[in-house]
Amino acid sequence: EPEVTQTPSHQVTQMGQEVILRCVPISNHLYFYWYRQILGQKVEFLVSFYNNEISEKSEIFDDQFSVERPDGSNFTLKIRSTKLEDSAMYFCASRSVGTGYHSANQPQHFGDGTRLSIL
Amino acid sequence: AQKVTQAQTEISVVEKEDVTLDCVYETRDTTYYLFWYKQPPSGELVFLIRRNSFDEQNEISGRYSWNFQKSTSSFNFTITASQVVDSAVYFCALIIETSGSRLTFGEGTQLTVNP
Repeated sequence: EPEVTQTPSHQVTQMGQEVILRCVPISNHLYFYWYRQILGQKVEFLVSFYNNEISEKSEIFDDQFSVERPDGSNFTLKIRSTKLEDSAMYFCASRSVGTGYHSANQPQHFGDGTRLSIL
Repeated sequence: AQKVTQAQTEISVVEKEDVTLDCVYETRDTTYYLFWYKQPPSGELVFLIRRNSFDEQNEISGRYSWNFQKSTSSFNFTITASQVVDSAVYFCALIIETSGSRLTFGEGTQLTVNP
C-alpha cells in the first residue's frame, strides 16, 4: 500500500540552526500538510499546500517556517532559526483531491514522523 | 472556531472486553467531517474511520463501530473484543468545510488493553 515517507526519523540540532524536514507524499496525492506534536500533547496543524502554494496556515506557522515542493516528489518543511520550543514530532500528511464538492473529507495519510530535538 | 474534546485521558481494559472512546466536537458549521486516528507506541498516525455530517447511518467495520449523534455533537468509537494490539493513543479529529481542510485534533485517549 502506498505510504508517506519522512526523513530523517530523528534530527538533533543546536538552537539557532536551520533544519529541513523532508517528506515524500503518496504519488497521486495533491494536497500536502505539516502537523506537529509536542511530547505528550495533541497533534497541531501547521500548514497545508496545494498547487504549489500555501492554502492555509496556523498561527504557529510564523516567519521562521517555510515549505517547498522542490521537485515532483518531495515536500519540505524548513525551520530557519530553531528554538527550544520547536522540539516536537513533525508529521507530514497527504490526501487525494477526491471527487465532488466534499473533497475536504478525503482522509489524510500520515508519515511516521520526524522527531526534532533542539539542544 | 472548532474544537474537539476527548474527556477520557486513559482507559484500561482486559483483553476481549468492548471499549468505547468518547469524542465531543464543537462547530457552528453544518457541513463537517469527523475522523478517528490511532497512534500506536511506535508513534505513527494511522487513519481508522471517517464520518460525514450528512451521512445517515452509523457503521461497523470489523471490530470497529462508531456512533455519530448530531443532537449531542458526539462521535464515539467502539472496539469490540479488544486485543493487546489495540493499545494505542486514539485521536478524534474534525474538519469543517468552510475552514479549508485542516484537521483539528482532540487531546487523545490512551487505551491500554491488558492480557
